[in-house]
This record gives sequence, structure tokens and C-alpha cells, in this order.
Amino acid sequence: DAKTTQPTSMDCAEGRAANLPCNHSTISGNEYVYWYRQIHSQGPQYIIHGLKNNETNEMASLIITEDRKSSTLILPHATLRDTAVYYCIVITREGKLIFGQGTELSVKP
Amino acid sequence: DAGVTQSPTHLIKTRGQQVTLRCSPISGHKSVSWYQQVLGQGPQFIFQYYEKEERGRGNFPDRFSARQFPNYSSELNVNALLLGDSALYLCASSQTGLVDYGYTFGSGTRLTVV
Repeated sequence: DAKTTQPTSMDCAEGRAANLPCNHSTISGNEYVYWYRQIHSQGPQYIIHGLKNNETNEMASLIITEDRKSSTLILPHATLRDTAVYYCIVITREGKLIFGQGTELSVKP
Repeated sequence: DAGVTQSPTHLIKTRGQQVTLRCSPISGHKSVSWYQQVLGQGPQFIFQYYEKEERGRGNFPDRFSARQFPNYSSELNVNALLLGDSALYLCASSQTGLVDYGYTFGSGTRLTVV
């Protein structure tokens, strides 16, 4: 099973873009990259996912490198409510989510 | 529409006891997965069920078991509780449980074993 590596913590100024990196160098060709976030030990909340191409939705953008060994989640205009633990997850074809330790993002005024 | 609902939200059990946690998926979702999240760590996969059949199992002892009912709701059972079983137990539902569809998590059940 592929594993992901993320920085333990990051800070971001309110209103600025937050760029959260993730390394998944052992990812297989048919495994997707998903991003979730978790606030105060609530259930993880889906943000975005992708396989090869860059993706964008109303919450964030996902940039995946051409070799698929790493990706970056971009929150274009971070707010205080974006303070959370962000998980970069590789999902096997069978649907098993493999969580890492996540990045604790602190958005500061 | 109701999201994924889990019950109870909190409970306290004594070592050696048994516990049953419940999960109702989003309407129309046929797959339920269970995860254990120990404080300070990411969630760990326990089970996945689809159409009442076990599709996957994580690296957990046989004290952990689960089942899915015809209405797609699910129960997670843990026998002979240990202190180390104290955790947030999360349920996630999806349409098929395969990678092409999103996964929606419930708010979890906080289990404390004393």
C-alpha cells in the first residue's frame, strides 16, 4: 500500500493562499489521491481528489506532478475556519483509505 | 438529506466488556467502512462492507467484527475491550466503496475504556 508524507504543521496568514504539500512516491498507477480535513476530532471532511490531472472545485485546487509522486493542495484564500488537520490520502482501487499523520494548518489573523 | 449518522456519540466502557457501535449511511449509499482514530493519529482502516459482504479488513485483532444489514446500516462490535481500544470510531459511506466515488464520514463515536 502506498503511503503519504506530509509536514507536521504549517502556518498561513488569513487571506493568503495556503499550499499544503504531500509526497506519495510509491503510489500505483490506479491509485487516487484524496484530500480530507478534520476539525476538532469531528469526522473528516472531503475536499478534493484526483488521479493524474490537476483539479479545482469551490473549496480548493489540487496540483499533481507529472510523475504523480507528489501533490499540493491549494486553499486560495485561507480563513480562520480553515484551521484544521489536512490529510493527503492514497486510496486503493478497492476503496481502502490509507491515512498518514496529516498536516496541522494554523491560519492566523 | 441526512448525512452519515453514528450512535452513540460517546460512551464509556470497562476493560473486558463488549461494545456495539452503529452507523447509518447516506441514503442510496451501499458501502460502509469503519476506521479507528487514536488521539493524535490519523484514522486507521478496520473494515469495509458492500452489499452486506465484507470487502476488506485492516490489521485489527479478531476481537473486532462488523456486519451490514439489508438497509445498508452497519454495526461494529468490539469484544474483550482493552484500554488501547479507546479511540474515535468513524464510519464512512459511499455509493459503491470503490475509488471512483467520494467517501462521506460521520462525526464518530468516542469510546473510552477505563
